[in-house]
Amino acid sequence: DGGITQSPKYLFRKEGQNVTLSCEQNLNHDAMYWYRQDPGQGLRLIYYSQIVNDFQKGDIAEGYSVSREKKESFPLTVTSAQKNPTAFYLCASSKYSSGGRQPQHFGDGTRLSIL
Amino acid sequence: GDSVTQMEGPVTLSEEAFLTINCTYTATGYPSLFWYVQYPGEGLQLLLKATKADDKGSNKGFEATYRKETTSFHLEKGSVQVSDSAVYFCALSLSGGGADGLTFGKGTHLIIQP
Repeated sequence: DGGITQSPKYLFRKEGQNVTLSCEQNLNHDAMYWYRQDPGQGLRLIYYSQIVNDFQKGDIAEGYSVSREKKESFPLTVTSAQKNPTAFYLCASSKYSSGGRQPQHFGDGTRLSIL
Repeated sequence: GDSVTQMEGPVTLSEEAFLTINCTYTATGYPSLFWYVQYPGEGLQLLLKATKADDKGSNKGFEATYRKETTSFHLEKGSVQVSDSAVYFCALSLSGGGADGLTFGKGTHLIIQP
């Protein structure tokens, strides 16, 4: 079955460390996204990528980095510059279309906590 | 900028009650509208969508109609079940040239009591 796989499900980070969250999709979608979810704040867009080797900053990109070397993969690195990284991180993908009419499909998320 | 406003929760109902979760939006263009549902510890699942005015999206007994005149996309269900307990997100997409992310409301936590 096609879908989006995020790993790990739970991740712990020490102060000053970078950590990388994995996101893989086998839906043959062109576009991929990273969102951050905090209690009571909904989801906020961190980065998105419409095609391989290209990505754009979202609303809260500071302290994060991404790469898109393959169509199937869109890893997110939470750097030590991100001062409040504890959150639930969701990866999504969608077909490319003008007008934003294609829905996004989500993975099951990674919960990041600071030790 | 674009934004989505949802009624705040938690919303607590008895089984078989009628459900309405209000959603209004502000957008500079002509958005597509979505409702997503999130069960505890999981990602978001698409519940329904509408891409133009007066479209009605429907799925699993839930419905929402795209009302351009009131900039609304309220979610309704005639008879809720305990299994409908979850967080519901209204979202819009306003992407002129491709796919640049969704704008979400803050979510509404729905609790259905037996």
